[in-house]
Amino acid sequence: KNEVEQSPQNLTAQEGEFITINCSYSVGISALHWLQQHPGGGIVSLFMLSSGKKKHGRLIATINIQEKHSSLHITASHPRDSAVYICAVSGSEKLVFGKGTKLTVNP
Amino acid sequence: DTGVSQDPRHKITKRGQNVTFRCDPISEHNRLYWYRQTLGQGPEFLTYFQNEAQLEKSRLLSDRFSAERPKGSFSTLEIQRTEQGDSAMYLCASSLAGGSEAFFGQGTRLTVV
Repeated sequence: KNEVEQSPQNLTAQEGEFITINCSYSVGISALHWLQQHPGGGIVSLFMLSSGKKKHGRLIATINIQEKHSSLHITASHPRDSAVYICAVSGSEKLVFGKGTKLTVNP
Repeated sequence: DTGVSQDPRHKITKRGQNVTFRCDPISEHNRLYWYRQTLGQGPEFLTYFQNEAQLEKSRLLSDRFSAERPKGSFSTLEIQRTEQGDSAMYLCASSLAGGSEAFFGQGTRLTVV
């Protein structure tokens, strides 16, 4: 079993829909990261959080430390949100990544 | 500073050849990480440096792989005698020590034919 599990693996939505991507982890962490990866490979950090909730524009990330679970929400989804969203955790010095969720938002 | 840069962006090489990739981190960042990502998978840790010291290496990093960060600034990752299984995206990231946010480069996509 991977240390970081994401669901769903693939997600297709219509423009405007509310999106939720889930992440569960099995190790102790100091922080959880949500990352976005577009075709071509570059990774952009969306959030780094260790408790509670963070919001940036249409993106919201929450974490429940006791349940070892985090969610990434996208409100009013748009085709430009189409990307792979990756959850990663840091406990020691390095990041441990989930396999990613491929999101496709259709117009 | 324009962020983390990696060179080249793409590399196609014949099996058995040696390749070297370069990563230039954000200038004030003392931590530098190398990750490898194969198709459909999340990135996997290879190694990291704090300043010029290589502090941890993954067991994924076979004897054919070597990484350096000689002056604590840019880093190179060399793969000797490449194999088809080395085909992957090689990602570099940098951060400040102490659990701060990591910033990623665009990656180098290696194809071994």
